[in-house]
Amino acid sequence: ETGVTQTPRHLVMGMTNKKSLKCEQHLGHNAMYWYKQSAKKPLELMFVYNFKEQTENNSVPSRFSPECPNSSHLFLHLHTLQPEDSALYLCASSQWGLAGGPYEQYFGPGTRLTVT
Amino acid sequence: GESVGLHLPTLSVQEGDNSIINCAYSNSASDYFIWYKQESGKGPQFIIDIRSNMDKRQGQRVTVLLNKTVKHLSLQIAATQPGDSAVYFCAENMRGGGADGLTFGKGTHLIIQP
Repeated sequence: ETGVTQTPRHLVMGMTNKKSLKCEQHLGHNAMYWYKQSAKKPLELMFVYNFKEQTENNSVPSRFSPECPNSSHLFLHLHTLQPEDSALYLCASSQWGLAGGPYEQYFGPGTRLTVT
Repeated sequence: GESVGLHLPTLSVQEGDNSIINCAYSNSASDYFIWYKQESGKGPQFIIDIRSNMDKRQGQRVTVLLNKTVKHLSLQIAATQPGDSAVYFCAENMRGGGADGLTFGKGTHLIIQP
């Protein structure tokens, strides 16, 4: 266990559905991230949050909407997705702002999303 | 585009041998590098990291080498075990110090032969 949990682990949704992915970190970190992992492609950064503030949106379509209510929780709200959005969505957290950084990111197990 | 890549998609080694996994990066401004291991059905697991002011760092059975001249990173695993079988990714942070995300390479699948 890395101290980062994600729910659900598997999700199947239709293109007209609305669903949310949840991530929680128990490591006392202050930065959280969403990544997308598609088959045969490198992990792609989607969003970065520092101290609950979004600091990076890596040209992600608006059908993906992140939310970070506090430093321990991160959500990814999904609506009107496309079949090509099917992938493993990974959440990560890290410490940030301390001298000597950056620091390693710890990943959750991911949510396997299938869009039908 | 992708700035971090790996030379081989698959590497097969005999159990007990040493493994060397290579990675090339293109951004000379990158100042922090990480190796991750990902087993089937799991998220990436941190193995070891190195900062650009170093050229070598050792962990338990693993060593990371950084050659900034040719922008090359490698992971050496000593006495490879069956449990080392996984996909290995290198990643870089290009903007040092910020909570910016990592840029990942494509991954090398390490296969352990008995």
